[in-house]
Amino acid sequence: AQTVTQSQPEMSVQEAETVTLSCTYDTSESDYYLFWYKQPPSRQMILVIRQEAYKQQNATENRFSVNFQKAAKSFSLKISDSQLGDAAMYFCAYSITGNQFYFGTGTSLTVIP
Amino acid sequence: NAGVTQTPKFQVLKTGQSMTLQCAQDMNHEYMSWYRQDPGMGLRLIHYSVGAGITDQGEVPNGYNVSRSTTEDFPLRLLSAAPSQTSVYFCASSYGGRAVTQYFGPGTRLLVL
Repeated sequence: AQTVTQSQPEMSVQEAETVTLSCTYDTSESDYYLFWYKQPPSRQMILVIRQEAYKQQNATENRFSVNFQKAAKSFSLKISDSQLGDAAMYFCAYSITGNQFYFGTGTSLTVIP
Repeated sequence: NAGVTQTPKFQVLKTGQSMTLQCAQDMNHEYMSWYRQDPGMGLRLIHYSVGAGITDQGEVPNGYNVSRSTTEDFPLRLLSAAPSQTSVYFCASSYGGRAVTQYFGPGTRLLVL
C-alpha cells in the first residue's frame, strides 16, 4: 500500500521568515508524482506545487520550493518570505497514474504577524 | 469555466436515509474522483472514474455507489446513511494520462444524525 506521512501536525512561522514542511512517502514505483496542496479555512483545495519523480531538479513556484530526495523518499515544502495568507492546512500527496491519489494527514501552518 | 462544482454545500441526514451528492466539471476531464476528509485523516479516495462508463473503488468504498454516464457528471450515492459517513466530501477531476494535476470542487459537508 502507498503511504504518505506528514509528521508535523502543526507548525508556526513568523511573517517574512522561512518555514519547511516535511513529507515522506513509501512506494516501490520509480515513476510517480508528488504534490503539495493548500487548504485555507474556505476548505478549497489549492495546488501549490508538483514534482515529477523522473526530474532531478526541484520544482519551484515563486516563494514555494521543494526539496525532493528520491532515494530517501522525502518531499519537503519550503515557504520563503511567509505571508499571512499562507496560513492554512498543507497536504502532501502522491500519485502514480493520476487517477488514485494518496494524501498525508496534513500540517496546520500558523503565520505569526 | 465553472471548474468543478458540487451540490449541495451542506446537508443533514438521518440514519438510514439516502441521498446523492452531485459533482460536475466543464473542463472535459477524463478522470474524476470522490474523496472524504475526516479530522486527522487527510483525504481518502472513495471511488474514481477514468472515463464515461468506467468506475472503480478507492480506499474506502463501502457504503457508497457511483456511476459515470457522461464525461461531465460523477454523482456519489449514499444508499443508507450512517453516522460514520459524517464528513466533508470532495470531488476532483483531471485530464488524466501524464497531466495528473487534480482540480477540486468546493466540498460538501455532510452530517448524519
